[in-house]
Amino acid sequence: QLQLQESGPGLVKPSETLSLTCNVSGGSISSTSYYWGWIRQSPGKGLDWIGSIYYSGSTYYNPSLKSRLTISLDTSKNQFSLKVSSVTAADTAVYYCARAQMGVGGLDYWGQGTLVTVSS
Amino acid sequence: DIQMTQSPSSLSASVGDRVTITCRASQSISSYLNWYQQKPGKAPELLIYAASYLQSGVPSRFSGSGSGTDFTLTISSLQPEDFATYYCQQSYRAPQTFGQGTRVEIK
Repeated sequence: QLQLQESGPGLVKPSETLSLTCNVSGGSISSTSYYWGWIRQSPGKGLDWIGSIYYSGSTYYNPSLKSRLTISLDTSKNQFSLKVSSVTAADTAVYYCARAQMGVGGLDYWGQGTLVTVSS
Repeated sequence: DIQMTQSPSSLSASVGDRVTITCRASQSISSYLNWYQQKPGKAPELLIYAASYLQSGVPSRFSGSGSGTDFTLTISSLQPEDFATYYCQQSYRAPQTFGQGTRVEIK
């Protein structure tokens, strides 16, 4: 059974960099059938797509965040990571990592989510 | 970005009711439409992918239909565990976008 687990600091100061890692177990992050994504949900709000990374290492970033984003893959550790620089209170959210099926498939496995609060 | 609009934003229903939620895309997305259920404090769960395909393990009372710009999620007989928020998502064009959600509450 595939499992995803986010990890990282729950509190980040304004203007600093938010860093999260998603550890994948029960399956290979190098599979060509899937890609991996980050989604966030501000308190009491809906879901926002942050970006995604493919087995090849190629990435897609949401243009609204692109200048501040870095998503990377570490196949040796079977994990992928998210960095958001220059954070503000607007970046306070629950951050989810998820697996997406290539083609018409959806996000079929999700991490449990981790709350990141931006505050001094 | 492709805008996804769900209706209604919330609804009240009783156990056993048939419930229908609609999702409209701002442009054609073929069948690249997925539906998720989210309960408080939990991650979303995939219910329907490619507009009408039931994700493995999801009860058959859930069904999806539509293509192009108009889509529907139907719960044929609402169960107590179905009270949650439902989201549609388009995966046709990046950035992938979600609807604002439909909260299904107990009447």
